[in-house]
Amino acid sequence: DAGVIQSPRHEVTEMGQEVTLRCKPISGHDYLFWYRQTMMRGLELLIYFNNNVPIDDSGMPEDRFSAKMPNASFSTLKIQPSEPRDSAVYFCASSPGTTVISPLHFGNGTRLTVT
Amino acid sequence: KQEVTQIPAALSVPEGENLVLNCSFTDSAIYNLQWFRQDPGKGLTSLLLIQSSQREQTSGRLNASLDKSSGRSTLYIAASQPGDSATYLCAVRAAGNNRKLIWGLGTSLAVNP
Repeated sequence: DAGVIQSPRHEVTEMGQEVTLRCKPISGHDYLFWYRQTMMRGLELLIYFNNNVPIDDSGMPEDRFSAKMPNASFSTLKIQPSEPRDSAVYFCASSPGTTVISPLHFGNGTRLTVT
Repeated sequence: KQEVTQIPAALSVPEGENLVLNCSFTDSAIYNLQWFRQDPGKGLTSLLLIQSSQREQTSGRLNASLDKSSGRSTLYIAASQPGDSATYLCAVRAAGNNRKLIWGLGTSLAVNP
């Protein structure tokens, strides 16, 4: 089991550019979560999917952020246009998720720097 | 609104010490509380999960306790080792939303050989 795979590991871009972050969940996990981590606010849940369907996107900061899950093995988080305040580490996590005690498995994150 | 606080923000101890990390939460209506470990440049790894009806959970040298009425949890690490150096985060799963975890900012632990 390769775990949750995120790409790229690091992304540096200029303000105004489009950024796409990618995630491959663990096979068989039917929940997928996107988190953002900053020093000031810690971990924040942006959005989560169940069986490829977005369930709760109330954490998405604004319309510049969008997420998709076209199939069970792939999800993207897109920021367009990017701003310096979007600089953070973005984590994807997946879970088998049939009960509230189902464990979360995190990827190693994408460190985004917007200059 | 549920808020989770972890104290201290950073801790440095010599190898072999027993230590306690603290987590407090403002709303006692929770399903469970989890402790996670985060190594630099890595994701998070779940360490212990305590259901709201439980008082403690143990795994090896780790023991987590939960006092729901007072809104507190502690993570006890016995006989600390340099390999325990990491950031430890606690998260509560609030009642009413099964999938959302509310996170503390973490305690950064350094165990010095």
